[in-house]
Amino acid sequence: AAGVIQSPRHLIKEKRETATLKCYPIPRHDTVYWYQQGPGQDPQFLISFYEKMQSDKGSIPDRFSAQQFSDYHSELNMSSLELGDSALYFCASSSYWFPNYGYTFGSGTRLTVV
Amino acid sequence: KNEVEQSPQNLTAQEGEFITINCSYSVGISALHWLQQHPGGGIVSLFMLSSGKKKHGRLIATINIQEKHSSLHITASHPRDSAVYICAVETSIRGSGGGADGLTFGKGTHLIIQP
Repeated sequence: AAGVIQSPRHLIKEKRETATLKCYPIPRHDTVYWYQQGPGQDPQFLISFYEKMQSDKGSIPDRFSAQQFSDYHSELNMSSLELGDSALYFCASSSYWFPNYGYTFGSGTRLTVV
Repeated sequence: KNEVEQSPQNLTAQEGEFITINCSYSVGISALHWLQQHPGGGIVSLFMLSSGKKKHGRLIATINIQEKHSSLHITASHPRDSAVYICAVETSIRGSGGGADGLTFGKGTHLIIQP
């Protein structure tokens, strides 16, 4: 069965560069969530989208922005990267209309800022 | 204080042992999730609970809404069960006009099953 696809799997960037992470939810999922997990940390909610509209916002820095497109995939844009942005970024998707189906998680993008 | 507390933080057991991981939460929830994360890897959803008990293979999850407590049990544990097990809660009700505010995670339980 198709899962949540994230790309790239690994990304190395220098300080002050920009990065774009992509998340493709499973078919018929209309809601996408982004999480950041620092080394040894529990995941922190960044932002979510439902039907291409921002649904909720967590601890997302102003340097980051995100959007959901007409095909429901989402992109997390990160600018002016800092060393502290090094983390595993993973997304999850779910269906607003079938909440009992739970969440499906992607494998994550590991971002290293050097 | 974290809204989701897990215990123990670390657990090492021998193959075949019965494992219990506990999760307590302090907020009203619409659902509770048990997740598994392997080192360096992504997250796999094991269970989503809003009441009662669910079983899948050697895994059993229970929740007591009144006591705001959930447990994850692993029967006949195996070295491949070694992973971080994370309890996470939803505080909004999806599909009912509530916002998609994501999950609040516990800090995880690091489980090692030795052969």
